[in-house]
Amino acid sequence: KAGVTQTPRYLIKTRGQQVTLSCSPISGHRSVSWYQQTPGQGLQFLFEYFSETQRNKGNFPGRFSGRQFSNSRSEMNVSTLELGDSALYLCASSPREGSYNSPLHFGNGTRLTVT
Amino acid sequence: GQQLNQSPQSMFIQEGEDVSMNCTSSSIFNTWLWYKQDPGEGPVLLIALYKAGELTSNGRLTAQFGITRKDSFLNISASIPSDVGIYFCAGQLNGANSKLTFGKGITLSVRP
Repeated sequence: KAGVTQTPRYLIKTRGQQVTLSCSPISGHRSVSWYQQTPGQGLQFLFEYFSETQRNKGNFPGRFSGRQFSNSRSEMNVSTLELGDSALYLCASSPREGSYNSPLHFGNGTRLTVT
Repeated sequence: GQQLNQSPQSMFIQEGEDVSMNCTSSSIFNTWLWYKQDPGEGPVLLIALYKAGELTSNGRLTAQFGITRKDSFLNISASIPSDVGIYFCAGQLNGANSKLTFGKGITLSVRP
């Protein structure tokens, strides 16, 4: 069974630009969550999608948005990039909403560098 | 908000030694998870715990869900070089909209 796939693996953008990251969950998994990982803050929850609806949202500004498609694939978008947005963005999937009793399985992330 | 505390930030052990890590919280969680992250990769689930007092093993790894539901422990026995990595604990409350809260992680180094 293929794992969670994130593309691209690496991105370099400049301040003010926008970026879209993609995530394909494990086949059959309907819940997709996004996390931002930085050395100082660790893993911070961005949002969770289930059945194309955002079910939960972390404490990030509105520049961070996402969506989920009918095939459970998900994208997240960051607009007006800032230097502090440089991070590893991790996508995780689970079979059910909220991931209770169905732990998250992570992809290898997209490393975003903002210059 | 909820926070999970993992300390120390780094641990250095000799190959073959056992190591224990703990994770504490000021809040009660209903689920505790332990993940390991290797450089350049995403976190990989090691052990999931769903019941207070539960003790679960996965090979050389053993984890326990604290009876107070505010802590969890991960033990690695007979460490080997590939145990090197960052170990994260994560807690979750019940409910469909409950997200995972992660600790900051412990970086484990194993000297051959």
